[in-house]
Amino acid sequence: EADIYQTPRYLVIGTGKKITLECSQTMGHDKMYWYQQDPGMELHLIHYSYGVNSTEKGDLSSESTVSRIRTEHFPLTLESARPSHTSQYLCASMGQGTEAFFGQGTRLTVV
Amino acid sequence: KQEVTQIPAALSVPEGENLVLNCSFTDSAIYNLQWFRQDPGKGLTSLLLIQSSQREQTSGRLNASLDKSSGRSTLYIAASQPGDSATYLCAVRPPFNQAGTALIFGKGTTLSVSS
Repeated sequence: EADIYQTPRYLVIGTGKKITLECSQTMGHDKMYWYQQDPGMELHLIHYSYGVNSTEKGDLSSESTVSRIRTEHFPLTLESARPSHTSQYLCASMGQGTEAFFGQGTRLTVV
Repeated sequence: KQEVTQIPAALSVPEGENLVLNCSFTDSAIYNLQWFRQDPGKGLTSLLLIQSSQREQTSGRLNASLDKSSGRSTLYIAASQPGDSATYLCAVRPPFNQAGTALIFGKGTTLSVSS
């Protein structure tokens, strides 16, 4: 069973607010990822990390930032939310040579 | 650049039918391939993982095959049930030693099984 958790599950927030989406995993995986998914569309990689203090941008340009201070924790931050940031954000982790596991996602709505 | 295509985009079948979902990828140099299920508004649930050296994996009513040389994978669902209704996603992982070994996804096949 996957042990990767995202909070909050749903978030409605006003334009200009700073938000942090939390992602934690208890499997000791080094690799963690953030994907963005618009309704009915495919997943696009926005950030990834191969371990503590390692972060890289993904294929899809994003105004969000991430940090990896602890192995188990990979939060995503938007400094100033805009309606264009409305989407579902999915966090995943992967061990070496093993399956990728996803959290339940955070559905963000910026009004 | 690796691209993943899933056909069909949508499929509606009556309960009890056996069905096949198709996935193709443009670069045969993959580390593994993974099938996921996604229910509306939810995260992804891993169904089957096939390593590049394997030909197939089975879990219950699900069987996934991999033909790496031709860039194809199929997900076979036996005796479909209404609870199987969901979007099924195929994803490939680039070789381990390449930078950016994140999964690359297809757009998915949305399955509807009617009772």
